[in-house]
Amino acid sequence: AQTVTQSQPEMSVQEAETVTLSCTYDTSESDYYLFWYKQPPSRQMILVIRQEAYKQQNATENRFSVNFQKAAKSFSLKISDSQLGDAAMYFCAYERRNYQLIWGAGTKLIIKP
Amino acid sequence: SQTIHQWPATLVQPVGSPLSLECTVEGTSNPNLYWYRQAAGRGLQLLFYSVGIGQISSEVPQNLSASRPQDRQFILSSKKLLLSDSGFYLCAWSPTVGEKLFFGSGTQLSVL
Repeated sequence: AQTVTQSQPEMSVQEAETVTLSCTYDTSESDYYLFWYKQPPSRQMILVIRQEAYKQQNATENRFSVNFQKAAKSFSLKISDSQLGDAAMYFCAYERRNYQLIWGAGTKLIIKP
Repeated sequence: SQTIHQWPATLVQPVGSPLSLECTVEGTSNPNLYWYRQAAGRGLQLLFYSVGIGQISSEVPQNLSASRPQDRQFILSSKKLLLSDSGFYLCAWSPTVGEKLFFGSGTQLSVL
């Protein structure tokens, strides 16, 4: 069965610095999608970044980038120049073609001013 | 542009009472629709998803049910709520598999 593991329940970073959130997953599939979602205190879930497994190039979205290591089944999120508004729960998720998203337990990111 | 509406925002219900949460999507057709539950401080648990009218897939056996009476309407129901049904319920839609999920603002359900 597919699983998604976020090993860091909580991370903290100084404002303007860089932080990396880890995510590993288990699958026997070769074609799938990976996502990072952000849930701020408002509880609104917001897509941060999306990666297609068949693309070797790491996805980037402004200050957010991923390190996708397909062989290692690793999908970490790097946030550069951290801002106070980045404080949130971050969820890693995996999706196969059967529409089922598998979610990690989340990492709480704290930004220190 | 597409929007998703979910209501109510909060709900307090006694044990054994019925439940109906509604979600509607505007600005798109034939969306994939999802109901998730999030326990406090935890990740998301997929409850139901639908790829078309009348087509419902259940991921977790429970006393909840879902229906899709119209293309852009998704309803989560229960005939008798349990204490364990308390949680934060999120409706979401996506154009197709592998695409971005758009989430509603959620319903905080407290069963007392």
